[in-house]
Amino acid sequence: EAGVTQSPTHLIKTRGQQATLRCSPISGHTSVYWYQQALGLGLQFLLWYDEGEERNRGNFPPRFSGRQFPNYSSELNVNALELEDSALYLCASSLVDAVQGNSPLHFGNGTRLTVT
Amino acid sequence: LAKTTQPVSMDSYEGQEVNITCSHNNIATNDYITWYQQFPSQGPRFIIQGYKTKVTNEVASLFIPADRKSSTLSLPRVSLSDTAVYYCLVVGSSGSARQLTFGSGTQLTVLP
Repeated sequence: EAGVTQSPTHLIKTRGQQATLRCSPISGHTSVYWYQQALGLGLQFLLWYDEGEERNRGNFPPRFSGRQFPNYSSELNVNALELEDSALYLCASSLVDAVQGNSPLHFGNGTRLTVT
Repeated sequence: LAKTTQPVSMDSYEGQEVNITCSHNNIATNDYITWYQQFPSQGPRFIIQGYKTKVTNEVASLFIPADRKSSTLSLPRVSLSDTAVYYCLVVGSSGSARQLTFGSGTQLTVLP
């Protein structure tokens, strides 16, 4: 089966601009999760979508937003980019609500966002 | 929300067995324990998941004691390609924040 795919693989933006990152989950997976991983650091939870609705968000400002489409793909938008937004943005999907515990996350290889 | 604690780093030699322990003292009744492996500039990869006792698959074993306050990932006969960051994740419907929060991970370095 095809894994989680993310696009673009690399994105370079200028401070103040907007970035849009895209994610296609594994076929049949309805939950999508977004994480931020700054260079050399751990994964910071950003957003969780399930069945088209935002279920929870991490400790990030409102300029980080997203949505999930009817086909379960998802988009992450970052407005008013700041230099510290430079990071690897990872998307993951799960078969059912991973918070139930027994449905592991499957990650894509991320989008490397560089803000100059 | 179960917080996890892992060693920051570990070194091993090729062919040895490696055990990485994760502490999760406030794990809840419904929580599962999952381990992931991450190589640089890649997304984490699912390794193994368990609820209690012992789980084994083709790449690893997971040992969970009766009190479930810790878990140990066991990698048999590691090779250089096992050099990576390993994360344990504890998650379940009992978490009020319902956030899938990863800990800091353990950098495993396998030496020749």
